[in-house]
Amino acid sequence: EPEVTQTPSHQVTQMGQEVILRCVPISNHLYFYWYRQILGQKVEFLVSFYNNEISEKSEIFDDQFSVERPDGSNFTLKIRSTKLEDSAMYFCASRPRLGRVETQYFGPGTRLLVL
Amino acid sequence: QQQVKQSPQSLIVQKGGISIINCAYENTAFDYFPWYQQFPGKGPALLIAIRPDVSEKKEGRFTISFNKSAKQFSLHIMDSQPGDSATYFCAASMWGTDKLIFGTGTRLQVFP
Repeated sequence: EPEVTQTPSHQVTQMGQEVILRCVPISNHLYFYWYRQILGQKVEFLVSFYNNEISEKSEIFDDQFSVERPDGSNFTLKIRSTKLEDSAMYFCASRPRLGRVETQYFGPGTRLLVL
Repeated sequence: QQQVKQSPQSLIVQKGGISIINCAYENTAFDYFPWYQQFPGKGPALLIAIRPDVSEKKEGRFTISFNKSAKQFSLHIMDSQPGDSATYFCAASMWGTDKLIFGTGTRLQVFP
């Protein structure tokens, strides 16, 4: 069964450093998402991406964040200057063109720790 | 208004028992209510979902009950099994947006 994959599984970085989280969505999917989950808290929507542009973003997704689909298979989340409060589990998700928004398929996540 | 409140935070059930997880919402614009199951080291996976024009939906041992007037919905797991031990999230979405609003999650442990 096709899966969303994410790399790395864990990343530790120093405050102020840039990080890039990588995702490979399911191959025939066209909508892509990033969510995050701070330890012990709920999963929060960050951004959605379709047709090479952001279709929706949350208040969390400020100028420090950016997303890109650099080629036909990868979908990345960049945090330019990490803060302590960016420590969280980051989930990538994707869905096919058809289907409601909730038919999103999630990856296993990248645990980011900012020191 | 955009929140979905979920309870309990954790739940311990004996094998064969019924697990019940509750969620409540405020925004009447929500029109689809999915439940996600998450095992350790994995991302959330869609389990079952319901629309507000239906009061109940059943898939195998999993049932969603929906009370539109109370703005509440719940997940019932019948004949709970140790393999059901996971974290369960309720969520909501509304037409015209591209995001899921998640509850805070319930960690379910089913003991043999």
